[in-house]
Amino acid sequence: EVQLVESGGGLVQPGGSLRLSCAVSGFIFSNYAMNWVRQAPGKGLEWVSYISSSSSTTYFADSVKGRFTISRDNAKNSLYLQMNSLRDEDTAVYYCGRGITGAPDSDAFDIWGQGTTVTVSS
Amino acid sequence: SYELTQPPSVSVSPGQTASIICSGYKLGEKYACWYQQKPGQSPVLVIYEDAKRPSGIPERFSGSNSGNTATLTISGTQAMDEADYYCQAWDSSTANVVFGGGTKLTVL
Repeated sequence: EVQLVESGGGLVQPGGSLRLSCAVSGFIFSNYAMNWVRQAPGKGLEWVSYISSSSSTTYFADSVKGRFTISRDNAKNSLYLQMNSLRDEDTAVYYCGRGITGAPDSDAFDIWGQGTTVTVSS
Repeated sequence: SYELTQPPSVSVSPGQTASIICSGYKLGEKYACWYQQKPGQSPVLVIYEDAKRPSGIPERFSGSNSGNTATLTISGTQAMDEADYYCQAWDSSTANVVFGGGTKLTVL
């Protein structure tokens, strides 16, 4: 079964850090680009970051650029999101998503995890 | 920055056709895709590359994209189609994925 399972969310104070993980199973992880997408409470979807299958290319939303880092370990079938200097507005459910085409200009996310909740509050 | 605009809500009667639009500058020159999200659930991809349906998505879901507008059409709408729908495209000028604000589809 194709599956993405996020973990690592929790409560953190403003200015703090968290590292999210996305464990992948059921497909050849190294063949696919991956993304992180978040959804603030009661709000719409917001794309956060993209990483190509080989890690050679990464992109970030302007709202997180310079604070978040995306990485992957193809040997461990895992995707990561290192989040530093967290702000109140980073509070959201964070989803990992598999890119169906791999090319950023046509990519869509065909498999999503269940999400992990990040709450930034003092 | 590039913006995608969707109507906040659309209503449709069961069995009728629902059309949800997504507007953006020269959106027709980009690929658009659509997601369905039901309360408390993760999004589900229903259309990608303007008009392709992923495996397992019913044929009643179709898409088109031309000019400044992408459209998700649901034919013979069912109660189970009631959900939030989001469009998405790629903004090459900023290298960012962009989502529309979402449309709540009500089937009544």
